[in-house]
Amino acid sequence: GAVVSQHPSWVICKSGTSVKIECRSLDFQATTMFWYRQFPKQSLMLMATSNEGSKATYEQGVEKDKFLINHASLTLSTLTVTSAHPEDSSFYICSAGTRTSGRPDTQYFGPGTRLTVL
Amino acid sequence: GESVGLHLPTLSVQEGDNSIINCAYSNSASDYFIWYKQESGKGPQFIIDIRSNMDKRQGQRVTVLLNKTVKHLSLQIAATQPGDSAVYFCAENTGTASKLTFGTGTRLQVTL
Repeated sequence: GAVVSQHPSWVICKSGTSVKIECRSLDFQATTMFWYRQFPKQSLMLMATSNEGSKATYEQGVEKDKFLINHASLTLSTLTVTSAHPEDSSFYICSAGTRTSGRPDTQYFGPGTRLTVL
Repeated sequence: GESVGLHLPTLSVQEGDNSIINCAYSNSASDYFIWYKQESGKGPQFIIDIRSNMDKRQGQRVTVLLNKTVKHLSLQIAATQPGDSAVYFCAENTGTASKLTFGTGTRLQVTL
């Protein structure tokens, strides 16, 4: 149980185009979804937190107009990288959280999406 | 804090030996800690967690130790196997909207 999928697993795009990444919780409903970015040989950096039906909360330094997050249902969140540039090339990972009473969300991670912007 | 640097600390152990991976966390208010394993090109995989009211928790072949006095967390892997080779991250829950802050990571290399 607690499987999270991402699509696509990798994508190559031209500079200036937009790319959409999907994150789905396959066998559970996620109260919260998180988007991370990971550069080579570095740790995961949280980009934003999203709750179903409400606007995402972005971390300091993350441009909300560039990284559009939509969380339309309890099982699907999307991240759109708008007007992508080579410096946006990275490994994007989502996680989906389930809440246990009295405890923080347990986060289950997707397999990641490798974005390469030419 | 932010993760900086281009080189992950690396721990090399022989197959069958025990591994100890250490992590220093920054926020004394953190009350929930998790260890993740990340293989190349994949997302993090949950290993074990511990709450701040405990100082030790055991799983299958893994043990997590928490020392709140010095803000230190460790992951012990017994009888390390080649399949344990990966990057290991500790993460702390900051108590705000269940956000996780990840440590810099340690690469575990298991030699035969």
